Amino acid sequence: EIVMTQSPATLSVSPGEGATLSCRASQGFSSKLAWYQQKSGQAPRLLIYDASTRATGIPARFSGSGSGTEFTLTISVLQSEDFAVYYCQQYNDWPLTFGGGTKVEIK
Amino acid sequence: QITWKESGPTLVKPTQTLTLTCAFSGFSLRSSGVGVAWIRQSPGKALEWLAVIDWDDDKRYNPSLKSRLTIIKDTSKNQAVFTMTNMDPVDTATYYCAPWTGGAFDVRGQGTMVTVSS
Repeated sequence: EIVMTQSPATLSVSPGEGATLSCRASQGFSSKLAWYQQKSGQAPRLLIYDASTRATGIPARFSGSGSGTEFTLTISVLQSEDFAVYYCQQYNDWPLTFGGGTKVEIK
Repeated sequence: QITWKESGPTLVKPTQTLTLTCAFSGFSLRSSGVGVAWIRQSPGKALEWLAVIDWDDDKRYNPSLKSRLTIIKDTSKNQAVFTMTNMDPVDTATYYCAPWTGGAFDVRGQGTMVTVSS
């Protein structure tokens, strides 16, 4: 099983600043990685798939990068609606696995 | 427009079997390369993948829960049904179904909260 580890657990950021979230895989793979945003009480929303492709309707301030064991989600300029929990997920191998999440909170 | 809705009991007793239905429209399980996935999230915890069923009836289960899970599809009704046996309070969670095309989950429904309690 590929274990996904996200860091930091919590990221405190001021609106208007940028944020960089990390996701590390226990085994390397090319690009079969997704990022999700989840706000309190809501379903997860797909942001990025294939490591760097934005899902339909996702603003350009969200970008994904990485391959191998290190992946990154970057939010260039945080808006008030971006404060949420973010999860990474690999679909390179079974079982499909998620990271533990990074909470982006207002500083 | 694709719509997805999970339905089922909100409360089950320990040892009972949970049965959830995923009804969808604007999406066909007859199409090659598509499927339905189930994911859950316990309160305050991370997301957890449970199962996937493909258009060709290929099924995959989370190995940690495999002995308790079953997923089937009814293509004519545009539905997928998920069952989990021997429910325990630790299975209390919000359960989501989502279209699956071999990769990420594009969750469309709001999920259904299931509490396991006597």
